Amino acid sequence: GQNIDQPTEMTATEGAIVQINCTYQTSGFNGLFWYQQHAGEAPTFLSYNVLDGLEEKGRFSSFLSRSKGYSYLLLKELQMKDSASYLCAVKGGSTLGRLYFGRGTQLTVWP
Amino acid sequence: DTGVSQDPRHKITKRGQNVTFRCDPISEHNRLYWYRQTLGQGPEFLTYFQNEAQLEKSRLLSDRFSAERPKGSFSTLEIQRTEQGDSAMYLCASTPTAGETQYFGPGTRLLVL
Repeated sequence: GQNIDQPTEMTATEGAIVQINCTYQTSGFNGLFWYQQHAGEAPTFLSYNVLDGLEEKGRFSSFLSRSKGYSYLLLKELQMKDSASYLCAVKGGSTLGRLYFGRGTQLTVWP
Repeated sequence: DTGVSQDPRHKITKRGQNVTFRCDPISEHNRLYWYRQTLGQGPEFLTYFQNEAQLEKSRLLSDRFSAERPKGSFSTLEIQRTEQGDSAMYLCASTPTAGETQYFGPGTRLLVL
């Protein structure tokens, strides 16, 4: 089976840095995605990692270690608008492209 | 650049009724996915189309669910004899031919009374 684990909730203050971890066990691996989802809205793409290492994109960075089945999303200079659910999703071994999602980490940013 | 669109955005129905949702993917995206999301959970895969061919269906997709993409452009998802357990957000996503990222539509929120 497929198992994607991430913390349920996290809190942080404006201007701080937060790291959201994700561990996965899947049959095959063809990439890991992070999405942001505000309440009642669709997931919005943040990052994609297929090789080990760090991908940086503005205030957001994502890291992948395939040997450890581990990724994290790093958010810097937090803003109130970053309060949202962050979804970790893995593309499995099939070439057909379905994503396996974790439950999401609800991040609350306090002033 | 228009994104993925879905219609309707909200649907309230009585148990036992049939409902149909529509998804219009980003233009020229040949891959289309349907997911279902319930409160506090991540999206769960339902089915996948490459052009007009339905290539994969989840075991979540019971006989009451059917999806089509007749001309390889828009797609419809129909739920027959709805049950209260079908209440969820139904999300559609599309991906270009040469690409990995799935771009999601705004979703259709279904409430079955």
